[in-house]
Amino acid sequence: GENVEQHPSTLSVQEGDSAVIKCTYSDSASNYFPWYKQELGKRPQLIIDIRSNVGEKKDQRIAVTLNKTAKHFSLHITETQPEDSAVYFCAASRGGNEKLTFGTGTRLTIIP
Amino acid sequence: GAVVSQHPSWVICKSGTSVKIECRSLDFQATTMFWYRQFPKQSLMLMATSNEGSKATYEQGVEKDKFLINHASLTLSTLTVTSAHPEDSSFYICSATGLALGNEQFFGPGTRLTVL
Repeated sequence: GENVEQHPSTLSVQEGDSAVIKCTYSDSASNYFPWYKQELGKRPQLIIDIRSNVGEKKDQRIAVTLNKTAKHFSLHITETQPEDSAVYFCAASRGGNEKLTFGTGTRLTIIP
Repeated sequence: GAVVSQHPSWVICKSGTSVKIECRSLDFQATTMFWYRQFPKQSLMLMATSNEGSKATYEQGVEKDKFLINHASLTLSTLTVTSAHPEDSSFYICSATGLALGNEQFFGPGTRLTVL
């Protein structure tokens, strides 16, 4: 089955700087890669996703890149703000109604 | 947007009792629902995939006789934790997806189960 690895597990960034979180996956049939932000005790919130026919996607301060050949994808947050502090999860699936496999999570702390 | 609710939001029960958690899609038909368990400071671990009108598909290591899943309609799935024990204490989250929603899964707010 699919295996998703995520690094780093914790990340502290000065406010205004950029943060990068990286994930690798094992199933070459995976074609949907969402990123979630989860605050303590809350549900995961989709912040951006990318499909395998696209190499990069951007939404304001958030961007995701995908390298299908290397089987890795990354989340980039620019101009970080204190409200970006949360746990971020990457995930992968084969699309459609297929299950998601989550990474282990990254606790991001923005230092004011 | 697509909304998923869960009930209850939290529950405390005695060891040996059963607890039922409901997951509802409020404004779309959920052809597939997923149940996850999340322990403190850990990731979401998929327990089972449930398609409406079919038996749930359980992930390896998840006891189907202990975690009963029913998906009787296109808007409701239930998870029953039978004979709950303290080690079952966790955050249980459902998600749902349906036709014309692309690949996105919509998550419920979660249920915190504490077994004494």
